[in-house]
Amino acid sequence: AQKITQTQPGMFVQEKEAVTLDCTYDTSDQSYGLFWYKQPSSGEMIFLIYQGSYDEQNATEGRYSLNFQKARKSANLVISASQLGDSAMYFCAIALTNRDDKIIFGKGTRLHILP
Amino acid sequence: DARVTQTPRHKVTEMGQEVTMRCQPILGHNTVFWYRQTMMQGLELLAYFRNRAPLDDSGMPKDRFSAEMPDATLATLKIQPSEPRDSAVYFCASGLVERNQPQHFGDGTRLSIL
Repeated sequence: AQKITQTQPGMFVQEKEAVTLDCTYDTSDQSYGLFWYKQPSSGEMIFLIYQGSYDEQNATEGRYSLNFQKARKSANLVISASQLGDSAMYFCAIALTNRDDKIIFGKGTRLHILP
Repeated sequence: DARVTQTPRHKVTEMGQEVTMRCQPILGHNTVFWYRQTMMQGLELLAYFRNRAPLDDSGMPKDRFSAEMPDATLATLKIQPSEPRDSAVYFCASGLVERNQPQHFGDGTRLSIL
């Protein structure tokens, strides 16, 4: 069965530094999508970035980029120039395109940005 | 911007009572998901629908939970009878089954069963 692993339960980072949040996945499917969501303390789930398994370029959205290493089955989120507002829980997720796009979430990483 | 709307935002009730949570997906989205979030288990997929048909509800306790989509603009999740262990935040999300299309989440229903 497919699985998402986020090995960092919590991280503390100084404001303005770059942050890398780790995510590894396990699937035997060839066609899949990888997502990152942000959940601030207010509780809503905010979509950040998507990477398709066949995409050759790493996805980028503003300060967010996804470091996709297919052979290693990793999809790390990189946040450049971190801000206090980046403090939140971050979830990595995988959707298997050929299996009804059911999305499986990791346990999340809580990121704290220090002033 | 289009949003997924969930009601109620908060619900506190006594164990044994019926609880109904509602979700209005984004117009045009053909897939609706129900998730439960707790500190211990994280985000768990309970059930999901494609074009109003249930695709998978294997994550849902069948004896007390039921999920339906009476029409394209409404999805419901019911718990009867409710138990204290059902206390959690329940999220609804909707999406369009195409590449690069993420699920969009509602703000959740925070449920407390006393």
